Order: sequence, then C-alpha cells, then structure tokens
Amino acid sequence: GQNIDQPTEMTATEGAIVQINCTYQTSGFNGLFWYQQHAGEAPTFLSYNVLDGLEEKGRFSSFLSRSKGYSYLLLKELQMKDSASYLCAVMDSNYQLIWGAGTKLIIKP
Amino acid sequence: NAGVTQTPKFQVLKTGQSMTLQCAQDMNHEYMSWYRQDPGMGLRLIHYSVGAGITDQGEVPNGYNVSRSTTEDFPLRLLSAAPSQTSVYFCASSYSTGSGANVLTFGAGSRLTVL
Repeated sequence: GQNIDQPTEMTATEGAIVQINCTYQTSGFNGLFWYQQHAGEAPTFLSYNVLDGLEEKGRFSSFLSRSKGYSYLLLKELQMKDSASYLCAVMDSNYQLIWGAGTKLIIKP
Repeated sequence: NAGVTQTPKFQVLKTGQSMTLQCAQDMNHEYMSWYRQDPGMGLRLIHYSVGAGITDQGEVPNGYNVSRSTTEDFPLRLLSAAPSQTSVYFCASSYSTGSGANVLTFGAGSRLTVL
C-alpha cells in the first residue's frame, strides 16, 4: 500500500530552527509537496521537490532524497505565526496526491 | 480575484438528509477536486474532475456525487447523510493535470456535522 509518515506533533522555541521529517512509500513518484495549514484554515502551498537536493525559499527549505523515500522541511528563525500543521504529500505514478496526516508545530516564546 | 469559493462554511444535518456543498473557482483551472479531512488522517480524495463534463472517483467516493457542467463549478452532493460523513470538506483546484508541479489552491473549507 501507499504510506506517508510524519511526526504527529513537534514543539520548538521562537527564533530557533526546526526540521519536520516525512518518509514515504508510494507507487511511483512525481514529486513531493509541503503545505502549511493554520488551525481552522485551508492548506496553502509551501514547496515542491521532484529532484534530489535542497530547495530554499526564504526561511523555509525543503530537502528530498528519492532513493531513501525521505524529505524534510526546515524552518529557520521561527516566528509565532509559524505555529501550524505542516502536510507532506507525494504525487504517485497516476498523478494522484497521497497525503500524510500532518505535523502540528507548536512554537513557544 | 476570489480564488476558490466554498459554501456553506458550516452545516448541521440530520441522518438521511441530503445537501450540496458548492465550489466555484475563477482561475480557469482545469482540475478540481473534493477532499475530506478528519482528525489524525491525511486529506482523502472524494471525487475529482480534469475538465468540464469529466469526473472520476477518488479514494472515498461512496455516499457522494459530483458533476462538472462548467469549468468554474464543481458541486459535491451528499445523497443521504450519515454520521460517518461528519468532517471538514475542502474543494481544491489547479491549472493542469498530468504534471508533477500540480499546485493546489484550496477553498476555505466546509465543516459538516451529521447528527
């Protein structure tokens, strides 16, 4: 079967760095997405990786290793507004998205 | 530019009632989809459409119907509501299909409770 694993919850301190991991087993691979979802709101797109390596976008970076079935989202200089759930999703060989359950990130002052 | 508009935002139904969740997008997106989001689970695809007149089933289609008569609109119908359909529903659209870089734009969500 197809499976996406992420930690359920993480806690970090304002100003620090946090890494949210995502491992996957899917039927084929056409890219990995990270979305951010604040409580009670819709998911919004953060990043897309299809090739191995690191993609940097301001305070957020996303890494992919296709051979390991592994990605991480790195958040630097954490701010209180970064408190949210972070959803990992993989596009399979049929171009369908398989979603992880999300990681709830709690930022403490 | 409104993006993806979903209505209603909240709805309470009794078991056996029917209703329609509305979804409209003004971005000329080909691809539209409906997801449900339940605690502790990833988003699950209910139905999707790759263009006007074309719909297909996702992972959890039972109890739901869709139609796509125009590019803009993609309503989701609950035929006979059951408590198991209590969830938050999201409509999402994207410009293209069959492409890896298929970034979804989500509506604000509809919280449905079935008693």
